[in-house]
Amino acid sequence: ETGVTQTPRHLVMGMTNKKSLKCEQHLGHNAMYWYKQSAKKPLELMFVYSLEERVENNSVPSRFSPECPNSSHLFLHLHTLQPEDSALYLCASSQDQGRQFFGPGTRLTVL
Amino acid sequence: AQSVTQPDIHITVSEGASLELRCNYSYGATPYLFWYVQSPGQGLQLLLKYFSGDTLVQGIKGFEAEFKRSQSSFNLRKPSVHWSDAAEYFCAVALNSGGSNYKLTFGKGTLLTVNP
Repeated sequence: ETGVTQTPRHLVMGMTNKKSLKCEQHLGHNAMYWYKQSAKKPLELMFVYSLEERVENNSVPSRFSPECPNSSHLFLHLHTLQPEDSALYLCASSQDQGRQFFGPGTRLTVL
Repeated sequence: AQSVTQPDIHITVSEGASLELRCNYSYGATPYLFWYVQSPGQGLQLLLKYFSGDTLVQGIKGFEAEFKRSQSSFNLRKPSVHWSDAAEYFCAVALNSGGSNYKLTFGKGTLLTVNP
């Protein structure tokens, strides 16, 4: 238990669906991250939020839309995804230099 | 651009044997260095990290790693592997993305299988 939770743990959706991934951290951290983990590829950083402001967006397609309503919660809204978006989506949080704590991830399958 | 290379995609060792997982990085300065472990169906857990100082770093679960600047390496070691160590291991380097927040760049991972 790292203090970072993610729901749902598994999600299957069609290409026309709209769904959201949720991340919550109980560590009092001030930054949160979304990563994508695809098979046989390095983890890819998608978004960084610091003090609830988006400070980084690594050329992620607009069909992924993050939201950080407060320092404890981070959402990833999904719309019109493609099968190649199927992956494990990991949330992390941090307070100091690079010490990121990861959640268990959401396994997403796009049909 | 910084990069992290884990040359071994898959390693198999016998329980009780020693282990070394390799990691090389490419970066202009000495970065912050990390090893994470991911068990099946789980998120990433930090094993150990190097920021500065002693180049031999001790981590959890009996792991250690040694930073070698001349070789741009940060190899992970364990003297005696347990069956529960079977997992995927990721090396990462950190780049400051503003303020106190750092962006991690990960290697592709090394899958460890432990034979009884």
